[in-house]
Amino acid sequence: RKEVEQDPGPFNVPEGATVAFNCTYSNSASQSFFWYRQDCRKEPKLLMSVYSSGNEDGRFTAQLNRASQYISLLIRDSKLSDSATYLCVVSVVGTASKLTFGTGTRLQVTL
Amino acid sequence: DAGITQSPRHKVTETGTPVTLRCHQTENHRYMYWYRQDPGHGLRLIHYSYGVKDTDKGEVSDGYSVSRSKTEDFLLTLESATSSQTSVYFCAISEFWTGGLSSPLHFGNGTRLTVT
Repeated sequence: RKEVEQDPGPFNVPEGATVAFNCTYSNSASQSFFWYRQDCRKEPKLLMSVYSSGNEDGRFTAQLNRASQYISLLIRDSKLSDSATYLCVVSVVGTASKLTFGTGTRLQVTL
Repeated sequence: DAGITQSPRHKVTETGTPVTLRCHQTENHRYMYWYRQDPGHGLRLIHYSYGVKDTDKGEVSDGYSVSRSKTEDFLLTLESATSSQTSVYFCAISEFWTGGLSSPLHFGNGTRLTVT
């Protein structure tokens, strides 16, 4: 089982829709969780950090479920500009090398 | 945006030649990372640094070396470039790592390296 798993998608949704992605992680000792967005041929950019149960920032909500070992990202009122790949990142106890990236979920928002 | 500059942005080189990529930060962050990103693999850690002259290997370190002589600069060297090292290389910085609790990473713009 991969340490961090994401559905690669693509998720095709109309503008204005609500869409949710899940990211599952295998190590129950995971402590820090992040969502990044990455546009084609660009660097990943931090969307949200999650250190406890969840976080909300405008149209974006992240929820952490430690019992089931997944973190979700909910995007409300999708915009065309939300089209990107969303990366889940998880840290576990250990050296600073213990930050693991998922391979990303691609979102395409259409008119 | 975090002050991270990678150079060069693009490079084409021949198999067998040494290549050095540079990452420069103005944030005074302790941790610096080099990742490569390839289709189907996501971001994979090559090496990281937890202070001046303090470095350690990541999961794909073979064929790469790093150096950090100043807080602000982290160099990645491909000792003898191979075609399998054709990739996009990202530098990242972060402020702290305490046990498994990490501050978020901030990434540079990336270097596209092609080895022919």
